Amino acid sequence: NAGVTQTPKFQVLKTGQSMTLQCAQDMNHEYMSWYRQDPGMGLRLIHYSVGAGITDQGEVPNGYNVSRSTTEDFPLRLLSAAPSQTSVYFCASSYGLGAETQYFGPGTRLLVL
Amino acid sequence: GQQLNQSPQSMFIQEGEDVSMNCTSSSIFNTWLWYKQDPGEGPVLLIALYKAGELTSNGRLTAQFGITRKDSFLNISASIPSDVGIYFCAGQLYRTSYDKVIFGPGTSLSVIP
Repeated sequence: NAGVTQTPKFQVLKTGQSMTLQCAQDMNHEYMSWYRQDPGMGLRLIHYSVGAGITDQGEVPNGYNVSRSTTEDFPLRLLSAAPSQTSVYFCASSYGLGAETQYFGPGTRLLVL
Repeated sequence: GQQLNQSPQSMFIQEGEDVSMNCTSSSIFNTWLWYKQDPGEGPVLLIALYKAGELTSNGRLTAQFGITRKDSFLNISASIPSDVGIYFCAGQLYRTSYDKVIFGPGTSLSVIP
């Protein structure tokens, strides 16, 4: 099992550009989520999904869209990148609603100029 | 929003020394979690605690769920170079809603051989 995979590992964008961060899991987990990690701060939840076709907003959803058409994939779209979106993005999948069931991907490092 | 504080922010220790770090909150939690993040990787769960006063070990790591339910502690005994990384705490109030998980900003650990 590959677990949770994320692509790309690194990305540089110009302000106003759009892009999609990919996340896939092969553990047949129902729940998936996206977090951002900024210096001096804890992980913050952007969006999450409790199953295919179902998504909801987390703590910091503005500027991001998600969809969940399959159990395996949960892409995160930046509609019009801003420097404030420079961050490290982690995708996670879990088999339950307890936080201890979450498995994190290796992250995507995004720089917006 | 709700925040967790971790202390110390960073620490440099000699190989073989013991390490102590803590995590505090202004609110109570019913679950406390400790993660380790290696450079360039996603967080990996080390220990999960579910009851006030609980003491749980994972090899050289020991974590405790504070009696007040507002804090947790992690100890590492006889540190080795591979202990280097960032240690995060996280608290969850209800295990039916992992979107309410709060992560701390982390303690960065460096081990000098």
